Amino acid sequence: RKEVEQDPGPFNVPEGATVAFNCTYSNSASQSFFWYRQDCRKEPKLLMSVYSSGNEDGRFTAQLNRASQYISLLIRDSKLSDSATYLCVVGGFQKLVFGTGTRLLVSP
Amino acid sequence: GAVVSQHPSWVICKSGTSVKIECRSLDFQATTMFWYRQFPKQSLMLMATSNEGSKATYEQGVEKDKFLINHASLTLSTLTVTSAHPEDSSFYICSARWRDLNIQYFGAGTRLSVL
Repeated sequence: RKEVEQDPGPFNVPEGATVAFNCTYSNSASQSFFWYRQDCRKEPKLLMSVYSSGNEDGRFTAQLNRASQYISLLIRDSKLSDSATYLCVVGGFQKLVFGTGTRLLVSP
Repeated sequence: GAVVSQHPSWVICKSGTSVKIECRSLDFQATTMFWYRQFPKQSLMLMATSNEGSKATYEQGVEKDKFLINHASLTLSTLTVTSAHPEDSSFYICSARWRDLNIQYFGAGTRLSVL
């Protein structure tokens, strides 16, 4: 079983749609959780950290359920520029483990 | 702007040559840097953790004699792929840990093609 599992997609949505991604992780001792965004042939860029209480940054909302070892990302009012691969990232203090990513394609 | 600089961004080399990749943290000191490798349509795989002033810690299955890591200063880590072969062709990405938090900022990556 992979340490971090994500649905690879792609998720094809029209502009303005709301889309949700899920991620599960296997290590219950994980301490930190993030969503990164990676554009084609580029480096990952931090989108947001994920906290147990849930957190929101503009159109993006992240949730963490430690009991179920589950992380989610909700994107509201999708923009064309949101098209990318979204990486679920889980870590202890020293290392981060990356999921394979979920590809999002937003169309006009 | 970028907080981590990585060079070169693209390398094409002949089989058997060595390639050196540099990773620099800009405007902050990074006692810990990380080196990843990513094959097409796969996730980033951690190769090694680079600690300033000490030996790097390699992940299982990564040959330390083939992938030489040097972290001689608080802002620079280098990865040298020695005697590169076509199967080493990949996207190599470095990152630096921000302060004492577990947030990592990534360099732009180096695309290595070994002929």
